[in-house]
Amino acid sequence: EPEVTQTPSHQVTQMGQEVILRCVPISNHLYFYWYRQILGQKVEFLVSFYNNEISEKSEIFDDQFSVERPDGSNFTLKIRSTKLEDSAMYFCASSPLMGQGDSYEQYFGPGTRLTVT
Amino acid sequence: AQKITQTQPGMFVQEKEAVTLDCTYDTSDQSYGLFWYKQPSSGEMIFLIYQGSYDEQNATEGRYSLNFQKARKSANLVISASQLGDSAMYFCAMRLDNYGQNFVFGPGTRLSVLP
Repeated sequence: EPEVTQTPSHQVTQMGQEVILRCVPISNHLYFYWYRQILGQKVEFLVSFYNNEISEKSEIFDDQFSVERPDGSNFTLKIRSTKLEDSAMYFCASSPLMGQGDSYEQYFGPGTRLTVT
Repeated sequence: AQKITQTQPGMFVQEKEAVTLDCTYDTSDQSYGLFWYKQPSSGEMIFLIYQGSYDEQNATEGRYSLNFQKARKSANLVISASQLGDSAMYFCAMRLDNYGQNFVFGPGTRLSVLP
């Protein structure tokens, strides 16, 4: 069964450093997402990406964040200058093109745990 | 603003018993989808079940069923015949069909199945 993959599984970085989290969505999916989950808290939407551009983003997704689909298979999340509060689990997800009433769920990757020290 | 409420931070259930996890949602949109995900201690998010706002019948997937009461804006998850492997966090989520495609998640309910 196809699955979303994410690398690395755990990333430790120092405050102020740039990090890139990588995701390989399911190959025939068209919508891509990043979510984050601070330890013990709920999953929060960051950004959605469709047709090579951001389709929606939340207030969390400020100028420190960017996303890219550099080569048609990878989908990356970059944090330019990490802060302590960026420590969280970051989930990538993908879904087929959805229309009204479609039951397509978002397929989540296993997550990357980011620890900022 | 769209919001999902899960009022039970933690639940206990005896193995082989049924359990209901509560979820209420708030939206003025008419077209939306409701989802339940399971997050075991390993951290991954596992899709369980989906209910569309226009679906007249409650969704079922194996031991999972969704008690959908549209007028009350509730979408409770029912797990029948609980198993030890059901111990996990459970998240209710909503997707608005006419407002992007992202999910809004509830705070989750931690279910513990007792032997």
